[in-house]
Amino acid sequence: GDSVTQMEGPVTLSEEAFLTINCTYTATGYPSLFWYVQYPGEGLQLLLKATKADDKGSNKGFEATYRKETTSFHLEKGSVQVSDSAVYFCALLPGANSKLTFGKGITLSVRP
Amino acid sequence: GAGVSQSPSNKVTEKGKDVELRCDPISGHTALYWYRQSLGQGLEFLIYFQGNSAPDKSGLPSDRFSAERTGGSVSTLTIQRTQQEDSAVYLCASGLGFSSYEQYFGPGTRLTVT
Repeated sequence: GDSVTQMEGPVTLSEEAFLTINCTYTATGYPSLFWYVQYPGEGLQLLLKATKADDKGSNKGFEATYRKETTSFHLEKGSVQVSDSAVYFCALLPGANSKLTFGKGITLSVRP
Repeated sequence: GAGVSQSPSNKVTEKGKDVELRCDPISGHTALYWYRQSLGQGLEFLIYFQGNSAPDKSGLPSDRFSAERTGGSVSTLTIQRTQQEDSAVYLCASGLGFSSYEQYFGPGTRLTVT
């Protein structure tokens, strides 16, 4: 079945540091890939998405590129802020109107 | 516009009692999903509605769990004879349906079974 693997956390960075959060997936066919973010005390929010190979999703300074050859969708940001402290989930969707499969999530803490 | 809303935001119940969790999707969204977020299991899919029909119920963990959707809008997730392992945050999401890829999540209901 489909699965998503995220790197182990938690991750603690200083403000303005470079961020990479690894995500790899296993799926049949050509899934869409997502990063969701959960800020403290809030619900899940879509951060960015990519629906086909080589697409780059971007939002709020975050980027991720859909790499079919390595089955990866790593999240990057060049300079993190304290306000980026949250839990980040990688997810895949096999097709429209289907269920999301999530990774375990990783907690990011950014210190001033 | 209004997002997905869920009620109650918190529910504490005694083992063995029944609970009902409610989800109000974004107006016009035909697809509705229930997920569960727990410390041990992460985020798990429970059930998917398209309109009032549930073409995918594969994530419901036992026959104590059921869900319905009426009028293509509000959905209720019912857990009968609650157990401590049912303690989790229950998340609802809605989507446009019909080739839509995005799901919009509500704030969740935190269920604690004592």
